[in-house]
Amino acid sequence: GENVEQHPSTLSVQEGDSAVIKCTYSDSASNYFPWYKQELGKRPQLIIDIRSNVGEKKDQRIAVTLNKTAKHFSLHITETQPEDSAVYFCAAKSGSYKLIFGSGTRLLVRP
Amino acid sequence: DTAVSQTPKYLVTQMGNDKSIKCEQNLGHDTMYWYKQDSKKFLKIMFSYNNKELIINETVPNRFSPKSPDKAHLNLHINSLELGDSAVYFCASSQGQRGEKLFFGSGTQLSVL
Repeated sequence: GENVEQHPSTLSVQEGDSAVIKCTYSDSASNYFPWYKQELGKRPQLIIDIRSNVGEKKDQRIAVTLNKTAKHFSLHITETQPEDSAVYFCAAKSGSYKLIFGSGTRLLVRP
Repeated sequence: DTAVSQTPKYLVTQMGNDKSIKCEQNLGHDTMYWYKQDSKKFLKIMFSYNNKELIINETVPNRFSPKSPDKAHLNLHINSLELGDSAVYFCASSQGQRGEKLFFGSGTQLSVL
């Protein structure tokens, strides 16, 4: 069945450093890949998304890259700040309109 | 002026009870969802409705029954609650039925004792 794997499960970086989170998906028909940020006790919120006809997308300090051949996509956060600390989820949408989420990455940015 | 609102925020109940969670969105979206987030933070879709019609029904026990009286509301009723039902339940909505750009509610923390 459809599956999304996410790594690492936890990531600790120094403030100002970059953070990279990687995901792989199983359904080659997947065509939409969003990233959600969930702060402690809050709702997941969409921070960036990419479609399968685009290889890279940037929005200020965050960027997402997609490699359709390898079926993986990554989130890059540059110049990390303490407020970036949260759980980040990748997801992939298949033709059945279902969003399949990865297992989450807990990012800690140390001041 | 909350876009997707869920009630209650916290729900503590005994095993075997029946409970409901309500969700309303004022974004004018066509599609609404229920997701379950377990203790390991894993987010899994349960149901999706588009204009009151059920379009996604994952392998969820029959004890869970969604109801959508109109496209702005999607409620979740749970019968005979079990310990394993303890989780955070998130309602979400999106425009169209393409499952993109989901907007989540603030969640309902369900604890079954």
